[in-house]
Amino acid sequence: QSTLQESGPALVRPTQTLTLTCTFSGFSLTHIQTGMGVGWVRQPPGKALEWLALIYWNNDQHYTPSLKNRLHITKDSTKQQVVLTLTDMDALDTGTYYCVRRARTGHSYSYFIAWGPGTLVTVSS
Amino acid sequence: DIQMTQSPSTLSASVGDRVTITCRASQTIGDFLAWYQQKPGKAPKLLIYQASRLEDGVPSRFSGSGSGTEFTLTISGLQSDDFATYSCQQYKSFSTFGGGTKVEIK
Repeated sequence: QSTLQESGPALVRPTQTLTLTCTFSGFSLTHIQTGMGVGWVRQPPGKALEWLALIYWNNDQHYTPSLKNRLHITKDSTKQQVVLTLTDMDALDTGTYYCVRRARTGHSYSYFIAWGPGTLVTVSS
Repeated sequence: DIQMTQSPSTLSASVGDRVTITCRASQTIGDFLAWYQQKPGKAPKLLIYQASRLEDGVPSRFSGSGSGTEFTLTISGLQSDDFATYSCQQYKSFSTFGGGTKVEIK
């Protein structure tokens, strides 16, 4: 059974960089499980879900086009962690950030079969 | 970018009702569509993938249909546990979610 847990700051100042860590278990993000991927989805309060980024077992990275210049995703397979950074934080970036695991399909993109509980990040001075 | 439009945004229903939620894609996505259920303060839960395939453990009163640009999620015989927000997701190209449909008690 896959489990994911987000961690990071609850409060970030405007213009700062947000760094979130996803610690996962129950699966491998290495060549042992090809097709595996871990990513991030966020949700502003009362608003829709927004996919941000995904990193694959082979280190390929995909980003949502509108935020591509501000996002970076990396993985540490030995620690079973995925780290997301989002630069130049703004009040509009306030929301709950979820770590997700993609379903292993033959397609480049996939649905999300497991979610972390989420972590609320507030951007305020 | 592929945009996903859900309707209605809010739906009032009673226990036992048959409920239908629609999701439209701005361009064809084949059957690369998933549906999620989300309760307040909780993470979304996968219900349906590939437009019509039920995720393991999801009650059979949930069903999905459609292909191309128009999709529906149907709940046949709404239960008290089903009052929640439902969102669609396309995964044909990158990933985009719909705006969500809140199913509330009538």
